[in-house]
Amino acid sequence: GQNIDQPTEMTATEGAIVQINCTYQTSGFNGLFWYQQHAGEAPTFLSYNVLDGLEEKGRFSSFLSRSKGYSYLLLKELQMKDSASYLCAVRARGGANNLFFGTGTRLTVIP
Amino acid sequence: GAVVSQHPSRVICKSGTSVKIECRSLDFQATTMFWYRQFPKQSLMLMATSNEGSKATYEQGVEKDKFLINHASLTLSTLTVTSAHPEDSSFYICSAKGQGYHEQFFGPGTRLTVL
Repeated sequence: GQNIDQPTEMTATEGAIVQINCTYQTSGFNGLFWYQQHAGEAPTFLSYNVLDGLEEKGRFSSFLSRSKGYSYLLLKELQMKDSASYLCAVRARGGANNLFFGTGTRLTVIP
Repeated sequence: GAVVSQHPSRVICKSGTSVKIECRSLDFQATTMFWYRQFPKQSLMLMATSNEGSKATYEQGVEKDKFLINHASLTLSTLTVTSAHPEDSSFYICSAKGQGYHEQFFGPGTRLTVL
């Protein structure tokens, strides 16, 4: 089975840095994805990690440790528009390319 | 590039009727399409995976006779909710994956309300 854990909610201040953690236990591993989802909208792709280490993309960075079953999404210079849910998803090994999503972390950015 | 559309965006129907939702990849060929359901304040739950020209693979607990999936071409998949009931009210989201892409691209979702 697949088990993916994230904190349910987080609050951070505009201009600050926030780290959203994700731990996973899956039968096989073939990549970890982070998506952003605003309320009532579809998720949009943020990042993809398949090897250990940090991937940086502008204000967003994502880290992966496969041995620890752990990832985090780092958001810098927070803006009000970053208030959204952040979904961690794992692709298990196999031909189906299925993604298994965590429950998502609802981030609220306050002035 | 990599745009996925869904139609309709919102539908309200009476209990017992069937509803069809279309998912299209507009600028790429989707070798695989996925259908998810999302209840309020919950994450996405995968319902089924479909490859063009073959039968869909359903996740455990999803009734294949109730949620009919057709993936007739590399750019179109449809989900039909048959004999809908109020408990089927949810946000249905499709995604598509093409050759050479790691990520899935999501459609804008369809909000289904069954009265």
